Amino acid sequence: GAVVSQHPSWVICKSGTSVKIECRSLDFQATTMFWYRQFPKQSLMLMATSNEGSKATYEQGVEKDKFLINHASLTLSTLTVTSAHPEDSSFYICSAISITGVTEAFFGQGTRLTVV
Amino acid sequence: QKEVEQDPGPLSVPEGAIVSLNCTYSNSAFQYFMWYRQYSRKGPELLMYTYSSGNKEDGRFTAQVDKSSKYISLFIRDSQPSDSATYLCAMKGSYDKVIFGPGTSLSVIP
Repeated sequence: GAVVSQHPSWVICKSGTSVKIECRSLDFQATTMFWYRQFPKQSLMLMATSNEGSKATYEQGVEKDKFLINHASLTLSTLTVTSAHPEDSSFYICSAISITGVTEAFFGQGTRLTVV
Repeated sequence: QKEVEQDPGPLSVPEGAIVSLNCTYSNSAFQYFMWYRQYSRKGPELLMYTYSSGNKEDGRFTAQVDKSSKYISLFIRDSQPSDSATYLCAMKGSYDKVIFGPGTSLSVIP
């Protein structure tokens, strides 16, 4: 299947700092990438839909100024958690759909963020 | 009503049993149906992908979609301890965001 690479796989940061997470589609072009958040023993919660070359669409309740998403190319989307706080500690996962728009979604490995 | 509903379990079965996992949904625009398996602290892994109604088989896994009832299923034959994970159903329309069910936690006991 298609490969989506997410980096870093884990990160620890101090409260108040910003953290950038990268999501790359390695062997296909992705016009659309999704960012999810997952708390322990809970399902994936969609945070935002990222379309190449345009502003991301955020789900209700997700602060767009706190979770900055950039989808600058067909193979790369980034999520920046700004001024992170301990309650932002979570598992963040990206997924990508190929440029055809009608295939299944492939997931990155996830990033475990811990804010101390 | 949530767009996608799934019994969270936990579901515990003996090794070798047939496992049935199910989801219901409310959005008739969904056309693409997926099942993912997620191990603890890992990203979801695609198991099965089905377009529209019908059955699809891949090894020990069979996915069924009944669009008239808005009901999808995943069957696992000859379940193994390595199948112990959380199983997430997911669905989307064309060019739409992927919506996930809450996931079912499965334990296969040796």
